[in-house]
Amino acid sequence: KQEVTQIPAALSVPEGENLVLNCSFTDSAIYNLQWFRQDPGKGLTSLLLIQSSQREQTSGRLNASLDKSSGRSTLYIAASQPGDSATYLCAVYSGTYKYIFGTGTRLKVLA
Amino acid sequence: EPEVTQTPSHQVTQMGQEVILRCVPISNHLYFYWYRQILGQKVEFLVSFYNNEISEKSEIFDDQFSVERPDGSNFTLKIRSTKLEDSAMYFCASGTSGRSGEQFFGPGTRLTVL
Repeated sequence: KQEVTQIPAALSVPEGENLVLNCSFTDSAIYNLQWFRQDPGKGLTSLLLIQSSQREQTSGRLNASLDKSSGRSTLYIAASQPGDSATYLCAVYSGTYKYIFGTGTRLKVLA
Repeated sequence: EPEVTQTPSHQVTQMGQEVILRCVPISNHLYFYWYRQILGQKVEFLVSFYNNEISEKSEIFDDQFSVERPDGSNFTLKIRSTKLEDSAMYFCASGTSGRSGEQFFGPGTRLTVL
């Protein structure tokens, strides 16, 4: 049974820092992995999708990597800003017709 | 850019009442999903739907829940007799491929059961 874990659960950093959020999954037989942003009480904003054949994806200040064999993905945020404050969710699609979500990392970027 | 839409954005109901949550998936998508997120908890899969039938459902999706695609554009989730513990954010998603495709999520409906 696929399980997804995100570390750390919460993170507080000063503005301008580069940071790394971690996601690990127990079953490496995945089709894709998606990173989402969720603001309090709001919906899911897709940030990056990495297919199983890819090693990384980039969008602006965000870079996500995938190491399927070790069951890990990282989301790198460069030059963090207060507007980046949110919960970041990792979700893994294993081809069982559903995404399995992690519990998320709550990020606070201090001005 | 096409997007998944959901109505209403917030629904308040009394315990024991029936509710129907509505979703309009992206028009050329064939796979449809419902997820829920209880406040402070993980997003959890409820059900997937393809070719007018349920593909998979979780243990959460018991006899109180049902899904329907009534008219070729809407996708609905019905909860027959709501319980307090049904209070959650419900997300609809749609995709073009069941096995390996990306799912696009709607903005969610917040259900509050009093």
